[in-house]
Amino acid sequence: GAVVSQHPSRVICKSGTSVKIECRSLDFQATTMFWYRQFPKQSLMLMATSNEGSKATYEQGVEKDKFLINHASLTLSTLTVTSAHPEDSSFYICSAGRSGRNNEQFFGPGTRLTVL
Amino acid sequence: GNSVTQMEGPVTLSEEAFLTINCTYTATGYPSLFWYVQYPGEGLQLLLKATKADDKGSNKGFEATYRKETTSFHLEKGSVQVSDSAVYFCALFHLSGNTPLVFGKGTRLSVIA
Repeated sequence: GAVVSQHPSRVICKSGTSVKIECRSLDFQATTMFWYRQFPKQSLMLMATSNEGSKATYEQGVEKDKFLINHASLTLSTLTVTSAHPEDSSFYICSAGRSGRNNEQFFGPGTRLTVL
Repeated sequence: GNSVTQMEGPVTLSEEAFLTINCTYTATGYPSLFWYVQYPGEGLQLLLKATKADDKGSNKGFEATYRKETTSFHLEKGSVQVSDSAVYFCALFHLSGNTPLVFGKGTRLSVIA
C-alpha cells in the first residue's frame, strides 16, 4: 500500500521560533497534499491544500503567513509554523491522494508540536 | 455543502459487547465513505471504505454498509476487544483523490475487560 511519512514525529520548541514539518509520499507521486490540524479530543480540521508547483489554498481562518506551505516536488510538501506560540501546539497531519486508487487518501502518522 | 454527523462519545463497552457507531452524511451525488481509526498517540489509519450505494466495507471484524436511502454508514462490530479502544472517524469525499476528506467529529470508544 501507499505510504506517507512525516518528520519529525514530535517537536518541542520555544515561543517565537519556527518549526518545519515534512510530509513525503514514499512510493507514489502526489500532486496534491492536504494539511490537517487536530486539537486534543477533537476532529481534524483542514488547514490547507498543497499543490505541487503552485501556491497553497488555505481554509478560511487559517493565516497563510503563519503557516507556510511549500510543495516543492511530487513527493514532498512542507509546513512551516512561523513564530510559534503555545496556542499553535497541536497534532498536525498530512495526507496525499493517489490518482486512480478508488478515491483513497493516505495519511501520515502525524507530528505533535508543543510550543513552550 | 458536504457534512458528516456521527454519534458523540465517549462510548464505553465491556469486552465482547456489540458495537454500533452511527454516522450520517449530507452530500450531493455519490460520495465515497470511510471509517478511520486513531489509536492513542498515533495518526489516522483507514479502517474500511465503501465507494457506492449498498457496498459493505469490512476489516478486522468491523463492518459498515453504504445506505443511500438513509444517507448512513454506521460502523458495527459483533464482539469488541480491549485493543479496539480508539477514536473512530467517519469521513466522506467525492470523485478524485485530489479532494480533502470531510470528517465527522470522532467517537471515542473505550473497551474494558
